[in-house]
Amino acid sequence: GENVEQHPSTLSVQEGDSAVIKCTYSDSASNYFPWYKQELGKRPQLIIDIRSNVGEKKDQRIAVTLNKTAKHFSLHITETQPEDSAVYFCAANNAGNMLTFGGGTRLMVKP
Amino acid sequence: GAVVSQHPSWVICKSGTSVKIECRSLDFQATTMFWYRQFPKQSLMLMATSNEGSKATYEQGVEKDKFLINHASLTLSTLTVTSAHPEDSSFYICSAPLGGLQETQYFGPGTRLLVL
Repeated sequence: GENVEQHPSTLSVQEGDSAVIKCTYSDSASNYFPWYKQELGKRPQLIIDIRSNVGEKKDQRIAVTLNKTAKHFSLHITETQPEDSAVYFCAANNAGNMLTFGGGTRLMVKP
Repeated sequence: GAVVSQHPSWVICKSGTSVKIECRSLDFQATTMFWYRQFPKQSLMLMATSNEGSKATYEQGVEKDKFLINHASLTLSTLTVTSAHPEDSSFYICSAPLGGLQETQYFGPGTRLLVL
């Protein structure tokens, strides 16, 4: 089955700096890669996703890149703000369109 | 985006009792829903796939007789934790894919279960 690894597990940045979170996956058949943001005690919220037919997607301060050959994808947050502090999860789809999640990254943005 | 609700949001029960959690898609129909469990500071672990009108599909290591799933309609799936024990205490979250984009999943707010 699919295996998704996520790094780093914790990330602390200064407000205004950029944050990068990386994920690798194992199943070459995966073609959908979403990113979720989860605040403490809340539901995961989809913030951006990318499909395998594109290499990069951007939405304001958030961007995701995908390298299918290397089987890795990354989340980039620019001009970080304190409200970006949360746990971020990457995921990859597999057979049946189920999602396998990475272990999560706790992002802390210091004002 | 699509709205998924869950009820209850919090439940505290005694060991040995059963707890039912409801997951509803409020503004769309979902033939498939997913149930996850999340322990503190850990990732979301898929427990089972709930299929409307047929049996649920359970992930390896998840006891189907302990975690009963019923997907009775296109907008409702229920998860019943039978004979709950303290180790079942966790955050249970459901999700539903929207329309033709089967991979795009919208999550419910979660149910925090504490078994005493």
